Amino acid sequence: QSVLTQPPSASGTPGQRVTISCSGSRYNIGRNTVNWYQLLPGTAPKLLFFRDNQRPSGVPDRFSGSKSGTSASLAISGLQSEDEGDYYCATWDDSLNRPVFGGGTKLTVL
Amino acid sequence: QVQLQESGPGLVKPSQTLSLTCTVSGGSISSGGHFWSWIRQHPGKGLEWIGYINHSGSTYYNPSLKSRLTISVDTSKNQFSLKLSSVTAADTAVYYCARDTGALDYWGQGTLVTVSS
Repeated sequence: QSVLTQPPSASGTPGQRVTISCSGSRYNIGRNTVNWYQLLPGTAPKLLFFRDNQRPSGVPDRFSGSKSGTSASLAISGLQSEDEGDYYCATWDDSLNRPVFGGGTKLTVL
Repeated sequence: QVQLQESGPGLVKPSQTLSLTCTVSGGSISSGGHFWSWIRQHPGKGLEWIGYINHSGSTYYNPSLKSRLTISVDTSKNQFSLKLSSVTAADTAVYYCARDTGALDYWGQGTLVTVSS
């Protein structure tokens, strides 16, 4: 059972917009910034967003991150087949005193 | 471009110690300003933070693993290492190393460690 709750799966067709949610509590997302990671088969995990919505260089602007209260979201517009993979949210938890991850969302491009 | 590469045995017997090393290239651990982390992913499960270390050897461990865990750094080799003792099948996972700047901005590709006799 992960501290942060994500839907186990999401899907869309090429060109569509998909949103992945990440729900936490006042002890984690409610107090700290959220990072998002992309895990694609056969490649090293990649940082997609830091500090809720800051995009590292090289991440396409069709990816966007947001946060409100104790929840965060990752949106992918103009979905492409190469976006298929697993997406994780993460933040610090003030009650557990350690970083915590969501359970991950498997994105399928139909 | 910072690159990280995990290395170590892919098979460890129960009750023994799991040892992995992460070699950093394209950047120096001794330059400071970052933490160097270990993360694992159990088969079919999500990510779990293991712990991190900085260039001077200060560590912070996941409390659930702390009693079995040692993370160390060798700045002369630009490497940091993980040792997890008394392993069981529950420690079977893909182990990743990563640089932590408040976010894990560079990762290794991960190495699968199986605990089995």
